Parts: sequence; structure tokens; C-alpha cells
Amino acid sequence: QSALTQPRSVSGSPGQSVTISCTGSSGDVGGYNYVSWYQHHPGEAPKLIIFDVNQRPSGVPDRFSGSKSGNTASLTISGLQAEDEANYYCSSYAGTYPVFGGGTQLIVL
Amino acid sequence: QVQLQESGPGLVKASETLSLTCSVSGYSISSGYYWAWIRQSPGKGLEWIGSIHQSGSTHYNPSVKSRVTLSVDTSKNQFSLRLDSVIAADTAVYYCARPRMTPAGRYFDYWGPGTLVTVSS
Repeated sequence: QSALTQPRSVSGSPGQSVTISCTGSSGDVGGYNYVSWYQHHPGEAPKLIIFDVNQRPSGVPDRFSGSKSGNTASLTISGLQAEDEANYYCSSYAGTYPVFGGGTQLIVL
Repeated sequence: QVQLQESGPGLVKASETLSLTCSVSGYSISSGYYWAWIRQSPGKGLEWIGSIHQSGSTHYNPSVKSRVTLSVDTSKNQFSLRLDSVIAADTAVYYCARPRMTPAGRYFDYWGPGTLVTVSS
């Protein structure tokens, strides 16, 4: 029921890399270079980690990177750490207001 | 550091009004920017509800536009959400956040931790 489609969960071992996909349409992800990603540890405030497809806010480690191809955006986390275990949400501007994905639970094994 | 904190009743009866307040610290709302409400219903993704500027200018999601009112109180550095005639589908975790680059937000750089509101029958 979310506008953007994300896998429910992904997993990886410490030190490995994982990629989370976010699939939309030409009306959102494919039409604008305005994809953002948020890290959410339950009970805490969501944290912006990527904006404008591949830009990192100050203080976000360069282990987090974003990209986009067509209607699909991706978040890659390299050098996985235990504290990366969280829910990750993508969002895209859709012309008038943003739309979001359903979230992906990242499990660090 | 900008911090946001939602507050309000956690339980609202169906057909009544949901009212939440977001208190902002570390930044004066009077200085500018839009301020937004976003919600996440159980098992669903996030949904932008609306945004308000310190001037009072508002933008709403069409899905709730007929029932929602945003307001701002610069003297208290707070902004508020009012959702009328709530139904079970309005049960959600409600977040306040700061949108950037457009009123509705190309992205949101600060969020509150969220507050769960349950609509009871």
C-alpha cells in the first residue's frame, strides 16, 4: 500500500555490504533526483542519511551511499556495523508532496 | 541542534478530534522554514499529512485535506495538528518534522520520535 516498494528485510554480517532497493514510478523516483533515505531505530527520531539521491548530511559516515537508475533508487551500506541494525525508509518527491516506501528492516547477523 | 517532540493524547474516540502539538527546541520557528506532520499507520508506509510555515501558510495532503488543520504558535515555538472526525484508519504513529527545499519537503532533516495515537470505537 506504500507508494514506493522496498524489501521487507535484508541482512548482512558485520563488515559486509548490503543494498536496499526502492522502486517507484516515472511520477516519483524516475521523474526527480529527489530521493531521500532515513534510518529509524525504534523509539527514536528517524534520521536523514541521504538526500537528493546521493548526498550525505554532515555527520553521516561515507559508508552510506545512494544511487538511482530509472524508477529504482538504492541505498548501499558498506562495512556493516552492529549499530546499523534499524529500519530504513526511502522517500521521493512526487511533484507536489513526497511519497514514502514501506520500510526495510536491516538485520546485522 | 534542532529537536522536535510530539505530545498529545494517545487515545481518541472514533468521530472525535485528534489534536497533537510539536515542541521545537534549538531553533526559533519565527526564523522561517516550514514544519510538517507525517504519520505511519500499522503495517503501512509513511504518509505526509501537511506542512505549515511560521507565517501560517499551509499545504495539505489531498487524502486528509478536508479534515486537517495545522496551526503555529511562535510564542511557544510550537506547531499543532488537528484531525477531525477520526476513524480507525487514522490510528498511527504521528511524527513532526522539518521539510526542506519545498513546503511539502524534498526531504526532512529533523524529526521527532513520534507519538502513537489509537482511535477507539
